[in-house]
Amino acid sequence: GENVEQHPSTLSVQEGDSAVIKCTYSDSASNYFPWYKQELGKRPQLIIDIRSNVGEKKDQRIAVTLNKTAKHFSLHITETQPEDSAVYFCAATLSGNTPLVFGKGTRLSVIA
Amino acid sequence: DAGVIQSPRHEVTEMGQEVTLRCKPISGHDYLFWYRQTMMRGLELLIYFNNNVPIDDSGMPEDRFSAKMPNASFSTLKIQPSEPRDSAVYFCASSFESTGELFFGEGSRLTVL
Repeated sequence: GENVEQHPSTLSVQEGDSAVIKCTYSDSASNYFPWYKQELGKRPQLIIDIRSNVGEKKDQRIAVTLNKTAKHFSLHITETQPEDSAVYFCAATLSGNTPLVFGKGTRLSVIA
Repeated sequence: DAGVIQSPRHEVTEMGQEVTLRCKPISGHDYLFWYRQTMMRGLELLIYFNNNVPIDDSGMPEDRFSAKMPNASFSTLKIQPSEPRDSAVYFCASSFESTGELFFGEGSRLTVL
């Protein structure tokens, strides 16, 4: 089955700097890669996703890149703000009837 | 729609007691998932249903755990008997298709003393 590794487990950045979180997956058949954000005491919520037919996707200050050959994908947050502080989860799956497999999460702290 | 609704939000119980967690998915969603979240293991998939039918329960840790979905608008996760190592946040999530966007409930924080 699919296995997703996520790094780093914790990340601290100064406000205004960029943050990068990286994930690798094991199943080359996987083709859907979402990212979820979980604020303290809240539920995880989808912030961006990418499918395997594209290499990059942007939404304002966040972007995701995908390298299918290397089986890794990354989340990039630019101009970080204190409200970006949260735990971020990557996930992967093969579209169809298989559920998401999540990485173990990255706790991002943005220091004002 | 009010989103995925879970109850109770918090549960404190003693070892050996039965625990029942409840979930109401978003209307029209055909997939329902139960996840367990701990610091050590992250988000673990316990079981998921498609159109009320259990598809994969390989993530259920032991026979003490069971889950049902008697209709499209209700699911339960039961632990009997509960143990301290079951302490975690249990999330229910639903989606329109298995790899569509997952909508999580607020979670049920379980503490077993």
